[in-house]
Amino acid sequence: AQSVTQLGSHVSVSEGALVLLRCNYSSSVPPYLFWYVQYPNQGLQLLLKYTTGATLVKGINGFEAEFKKSETSFHLTKPSAHMSDAAEYFCAVSDQRGGTSYGKLTFGQGTILTVHP
Amino acid sequence: GAGVSQSPRYKVAKRGQDVALRCDPISGHVSLFWYQQALGQGPEFLTYFQNEAQLDKSGLPSDRFFAERPEGSVSTLKIQRTQQEDSAVYLCASSYLDTQYFGPGTRLTVL
Repeated sequence: AQSVTQLGSHVSVSEGALVLLRCNYSSSVPPYLFWYVQYPNQGLQLLLKYTTGATLVKGINGFEAEFKKSETSFHLTKPSAHMSDAAEYFCAVSDQRGGTSYGKLTFGQGTILTVHP
Repeated sequence: GAGVSQSPRYKVAKRGQDVALRCDPISGHVSLFWYQQALGQGPEFLTYFQNEAQLDKSGLPSDRFFAERPEGSVSTLKIQRTQQEDSAVYLCASSYLDTQYFGPGTRLTVL
């Protein structure tokens, strides 16, 4: 069974500071990894994903994440926080597609990011 | 193009009532997922369709929950005899290749 752990349910940073949101996963097969952002009363929006290839992936709004197999981690970073980054962020894992796998997502508990001026 | 849409956006039901939640996926997306998101939690998988075939319903919490996608496009999640513990946001997603695209969700409140 797959699982995702997001360390820290709340993270608070100052505008312009580094954003670091932590995600660790467990999976019995090489995973696909995702970060989604959720603004109040809205659905989930994909920030970035890792499937294969380069382990450092870049996403929208200046976010990036690095897949570290040895640490089973996929932490999300952004060099300089903006007020508009305030939202809830979810890390998710899925089995690779192919065969009988179809890619259902297992999510972490979420991290609420607060950005103050 | 249009994204995934869900209706209603908000639903208040009295305990014991039946409810039906609708999902309109992105046109042409074969795969469709339903998730349940309780307050303060991450979404949890309910069920999966490939076209009209329901291939996985392992996440449905009880036999009061039923989902269908009869023509391989619009899907409906039905909850019979709603209970307070059914209060949550119900999210629908359709997928292309490896990416799932989510709708805005239906917030169900059971009184």
